[in-house]
Amino acid sequence: KQEVTQIPAALSVPEGENLVLNCSFTDSAIYNLQWFRQDPGKGLTSLLLIQSSQREQTSGRLNASLDKSSGRSTLYIAASQPGDSATYLCAVKAAGNKLTFGGGTRVLVKP
Amino acid sequence: EAGVAQSPRYKIIEKRQSVAFWCNPISGHATLYWYQQILGQGPKLLIQFQNNGVVDDSQLPKDRFSAERLKGVDSTLKIQPAKLEDSAVYLCASSTLRSGGSGYTFGSGTRLTVV
Repeated sequence: KQEVTQIPAALSVPEGENLVLNCSFTDSAIYNLQWFRQDPGKGLTSLLLIQSSQREQTSGRLNASLDKSSGRSTLYIAASQPGDSATYLCAVKAAGNKLTFGGGTRVLVKP
Repeated sequence: EAGVAQSPRYKIIEKRQSVAFWCNPISGHATLYWYQQILGQGPKLLIQFQNNGVVDDSQLPKDRFSAERLKGVDSTLKIQPAKLEDSAVYLCASSTLRSGGSGYTFGSGTRLTVV
């Protein structure tokens, strides 16, 4: 059974600092890994998707890496801003189009 | 394109009452999912439909939860009777059939409080 873990559970940084969020998964037989952002009371917004054959994806200040063999992914957010405050979730997609989520990392960026 | 629509946005009920949630997926998305997200946790898959057939309901508490997807479009999730531990956000999502693509779109969810 796939298990996804995110560390740390919460993170507080001053504005301008870089953010590093970690995600690990137990079964490497995945199609892809996706990072989502969730604002309070809202649904999930997809940030980055990394196919199992890829090593990383970039979008603006966001960069996500994937090491499938070790079951790890890292989301980097450069030069954090207060607007980056949210919960970040990683999810892996396996056979059957099924997404398994981690518990999330709550991020607070202080002005 | 329009997003995944869910209603109601909020619901407060007493334990042992029943409640139903509705979801309208993105047009053309064959796969529909219901997730339960308890406060402070990641979403947990309750049930997955492919068109109007159930693909995975292994984590659905079938003694109290039921779901249907009529004509392969809209879906309803019902809880009867509700327990305190059912308090959570219920998220609906839909996706295309392509297993390698992203394709996932989530609704804003229904926040259920059982008192």
